[in-house]
Amino acid sequence: GIQVEQSPPDLILQEGANSTLRCNFSDSVNNLQWFHQNPWGQLINLFYIPSGTKQNGRLSATTVATERYSLLYISSSQTTDSGVYFCAVGLYNQGGKLIFGQGTELSVKP
Amino acid sequence: NAGVTQTPKFQVLKTGQSMTLQCAQDMNHEYMSWYRQDPGMGLRLIHYSVGAGITDQGEVPNGYNVSRSTTEDFPLRLLSAAPSQTSVYFCASSSPSGPDTQYFGPGTRLTVL
Repeated sequence: GIQVEQSPPDLILQEGANSTLRCNFSDSVNNLQWFHQNPWGQLINLFYIPSGTKQNGRLSATTVATERYSLLYISSSQTTDSGVYFCAVGLYNQGGKLIFGQGTELSVKP
Repeated sequence: NAGVTQTPKFQVLKTGQSMTLQCAQDMNHEYMSWYRQDPGMGLRLIHYSVGAGITDQGEVPNGYNVSRSTTEDFPLRLLSAAPSQTSVYFCASSSPSGPDTQYFGPGTRLTVL
């Protein structure tokens, strides 16, 4: 099956710093999503981005499908950005089947 | 819209007991899924459904049953609970029309003693 690897596994930032999270996947996919799990456990969808670049406020994501990786950029980090960021991949119209990476745990210090 | 709802939020079972975790969505999504999250292991797919009456197994289906009699509901049954099923369980839904964005419920934290 498809393997998903995320790096780094954890990251500590000072408030205001920028960061890049990486997701590598082992096979062709046409569904890639980034999620944020907040400290209370809620999973929030950040981006649906099987290819190309998207931006939403201080967050942006780029997926290079031909090279099998995706990047999540967080700029001017805030303490509320803390939590775990997951990358998940799947095949289009596979009934919502997603394969998750292990996540990157981000801690933003004031 | 309430989105995806799950009940209960917390549950403690004894080994061998059975129970049903409830999941409902009000977005008219065809696809629904159950995942479990264990420390350091990300989320793993248990079962999924592409519509009422249709279900299939994910990565870790053993010890769990599902059925989908309506579009809105997708209950997960633990037949005979084991300590290895101690985990946080998430239900998710999505639609095949438009972006296949998944929406997650708040989770059920299950402890099996």
